[in-house]
Amino acid sequence: KNEVEQSPQNLTAQEGEFITINCSYSVGISALHWLQQHPGGGIVSLFMLSSGKKKHGRLIATINIQEKHSSLHITASHPRDSAVYICAVSRNNDMRFGAGTRLTVKP
Amino acid sequence: DGGITQSPKYLFRKEGQNVTLSCEQNLNHDAMYWYRQDPGQGLRLIYYSQIVNDFQKGDIAEGYSVSREKKESFPLTVTSAQKNPTAFYLCASSLRGPSTNEKLFFGSGTQLSVL
Repeated sequence: KNEVEQSPQNLTAQEGEFITINCSYSVGISALHWLQQHPGGGIVSLFMLSSGKKKHGRLIATINIQEKHSSLHITASHPRDSAVYICAVSRNNDMRFGAGTRLTVKP
Repeated sequence: DGGITQSPKYLFRKEGQNVTLSCEQNLNHDAMYWYRQDPGQGLRLIYYSQIVNDFQKGDIAEGYSVSREKKESFPLTVTSAQKNPTAFYLCASSLRGPSTNEKLFFGSGTQLSVL
């Protein structure tokens, strides 16, 4: 079993829909990261959080340390949000990555 | 603009050939990393470096080599010993290193394929 599991693997939405991507992990962590990978391949860091909730524009990330679970929400989704969203966890000198969720937002 | 530059974008390797992927950063970051990405899998760490002239093996270092002669540069060589090199390779950097909780900055990647 992977240490970081994401669901769903693939997600298709209509423009304007509210989107949730989930991440569960099985190890103790010091921080959790949400990353965005665009079709060209480059990755950008969206959030790094160790507790509670963070918001940036239409994106919201939450984490529940006790349940070892995090969610990434996108409000009022737009076709430009189409990308692969990757959850990663930091622990000790290490970072572990989920396989990613491929999001397609249709106009 | 500060960032990480990887080249080339696409690279083809013939059997028995060594190839080198370039990674340069102008963020003045101490730590640099190489990751391999395969379809349906999470990123896996190949090597990382926290200081010039020092580097550490990651989870899948076999068949790869690196150097860190300058702070800005961390090239990855895929040697002929790597029998399954076809993958997307990502270079990343962070301010200090993996022992601190820091954001990673990524390059745009190199797709390596075998001829």
